[in-house]
Amino acid sequence: NAGVTQTPKFQVLKTGQSMTLQCAQDMNHNSMYWYRQDPGMGLRLIYYSASEGTTDKGEVPNGYNVSRLNKREFSLRLESAAPSQTSVYFCASSYGGDYGYTFGSGTRLTVV
Amino acid sequence: GENVEQHPSTLSVQEGDSAVIKCTYSDSASNYFPWYKQELGKRPQLIIDIRSNVGEKKDQRIAVTLNKTAKHFSLHITETQPEDSAVYFCAAGGGGGADGLTFGKGTHLIIQP
Repeated sequence: NAGVTQTPKFQVLKTGQSMTLQCAQDMNHNSMYWYRQDPGMGLRLIYYSASEGTTDKGEVPNGYNVSRLNKREFSLRLESAAPSQTSVYFCASSYGGDYGYTFGSGTRLTVV
Repeated sequence: GENVEQHPSTLSVQEGDSAVIKCTYSDSASNYFPWYKQELGKRPQLIIDIRSNVGEKKDQRIAVTLNKTAKHFSLHITETQPEDSAVYFCAAGGGGGADGLTFGKGTHLIIQP
């Protein structure tokens, strides 16, 4: 039982490059989320998916896109990376808004 | 949207003493209030949560209290131990509004030997 699996763990991008962060969960959770964590800022919601086939913007969606590929997988895409997107990205899943999250191990992204 | 304020940002206590972290929230529709512990370089992990139909919940050395009228909730850790050193985040959400929890900015708890 892997829980929530995120790849890659580390990535360095040049400004303007694109990449996709992958996330998969095996807990049969309905909802999946992408957060970014910056020093002193806590965790801020980028996008979420309340169920398969739906996605919604969170607090800081600009510069990102997401795809809920199926119930298990939720990917985050940076189309044209900027230094302001340097951060640690966490994927999480839960049964819904009134339930606790299980987080992935995080992706440390640096944009130079 | 929801706004969560967390205090203090840093808390240093002697081993064996108690620690209290406080959070306030703005959206009266929120009904789910979890607390997460994050050790350095690790993922956040759920340690305790409370729903709005309950005023207090306890699990061994940790407890959470909720005051819906005042829109604040607190984490209490008793008999602190070195392994309690970490960053703690409160969060608020649920309640039939937009999905997704809103997190506080975190409290760095330092346990002094």
